[in-house]
Amino acid sequence: GQNIDQPTEMTATEGAIVQINCTYQTSGFNGLFWYQQHAGEAPTFLSYNVLDGLEEKGRFSSFLSRSKGYSYLLLKELQMKDSASYLCAVSDSNYQLIWGAGTKLIIKP
Amino acid sequence: DAGVTQSPTHLIKTRGQQVTLRCSPKSGHDTVSWYQQALGQGPQFIFQYYEEEERQRGNFPDRFSGHQFPNYSSELNVNALLLGDSALYLCASSFSSGYYNEQFFGPGTRLTVL
Repeated sequence: GQNIDQPTEMTATEGAIVQINCTYQTSGFNGLFWYQQHAGEAPTFLSYNVLDGLEEKGRFSSFLSRSKGYSYLLLKELQMKDSASYLCAVSDSNYQLIWGAGTKLIIKP
Repeated sequence: DAGVTQSPTHLIKTRGQQVTLRCSPKSGHDTVSWYQQALGQGPQFIFQYYEEEERQRGNFPDRFSGHQFPNYSSELNVNALLLGDSALYLCASSFSSGYYNEQFFGPGTRLTVL
């Protein structure tokens, strides 16, 4: 079966750094996405990785290791507005997105 | 440039009824995907439409059906509603020839089945 695992909830302090992990087992791999979803709102795109390594985009970075079936999202200089759920999704052999349940990130002052 | 739009925003139905949700994709996009998201869960893929045909389908019963129109807009129909169908229904659009088919989501329709 196909499976995406990520922690249910994480807490971090404003101004700090947090790493959200995602492990996956899917039939085929055509890239991994990270989306941010604020409560009651639609997911918004953060990053895409298809090759191994680190992709940096401002305060957010995403890492992929295909051999380990592993990715992480790194958020630096945390702000209160970063409080949200972070969703990991893998595009499988049919280019269908398989989603994790999301990690709820709580930022404390 | 309008993004993905969905209607209605909220909907309340009773068991056994039928519902139709609507989605207009982002300008320039030709592919529409529908997802069901239960509270505290990630989105679950229902199906995807491209060129007015259902291209892929997730693990949802035949009570869930859809349609895509020539202008790329789409409808999701759910028949014989069950309490368990209560969820946020998300529509996402993408461009079929895009590099990685990034999906843009609409605000969703919150369906409550009583």
